[in-house]
Amino acid sequence: QQQVKQSPQSLIVQKGGIPIINCAYENTAFDYFPWYQQFPGKGPALLIAIRPDVSEKKEGRFTISFNKSAKQFSLHIMDSQPGDSATYFCAAESGVSARQLTFGSGTQLTVLP
Amino acid sequence: DTEVTQTPKHLVMGMTNKKSLKCEQHMGHRAMYWYKQKAKKPPELMFVYSYEKLSINESVPSRFSPECPNSSLLNLHLHALQPEDSALYLCASSLVSQGNIQYFGAGTRLSVL
Repeated sequence: QQQVKQSPQSLIVQKGGIPIINCAYENTAFDYFPWYQQFPGKGPALLIAIRPDVSEKKEGRFTISFNKSAKQFSLHIMDSQPGDSATYFCAAESGVSARQLTFGSGTQLTVLP
Repeated sequence: DTEVTQTPKHLVMGMTNKKSLKCEQHMGHRAMYWYKQKAKKPPELMFVYSYEKLSINESVPSRFSPECPNSSLLNLHLHALQPEDSALYLCASSLVSQGNIQYFGAGTRLSVL
């Protein structure tokens, strides 16, 4: 059962464009929502994260929008650059004594020069 | 230092071999994780250690045997693997509480012949 649904599977934008990646979840036990960026041959690296009591968070060119009632959240990348070309995973975290991440299926982003 | 170090980077083994993957962090994190990642797929959680005790085992076959000898080290012992076990094995670590980043290593690329 996929607990975090992510779309689109792939995305191609021109340099300077604003790619948007969307995620949705069902499990209300999730209490932290990070986004990870992964380059080929590397492990995932945290990009930005949000708690469910916040509707928006910006860090540099990256913005998370969070809609708790709809159980949806999205990543916007402003002024995208070719160096942003990577796979992006949304995730949702839960657990008390042992924290557990559930990843979305991933979006392969290509930013054309 | 936010580094999680995994060795070896690449491993080729036969189905009758016994090998081990190693993971090390010196960030004072008391939660450590093993993930398996297939090509173009998200990481799948295998095991979680919290304070050196196994907290989560996601129904992983017994041919994978985790070990956490101390708070900085995590091992994954491999025995009698199948070709379908070929994947990128990722280690991660974090503090044990809500909203703490999981830092990932670069992974071990495992090929089972």
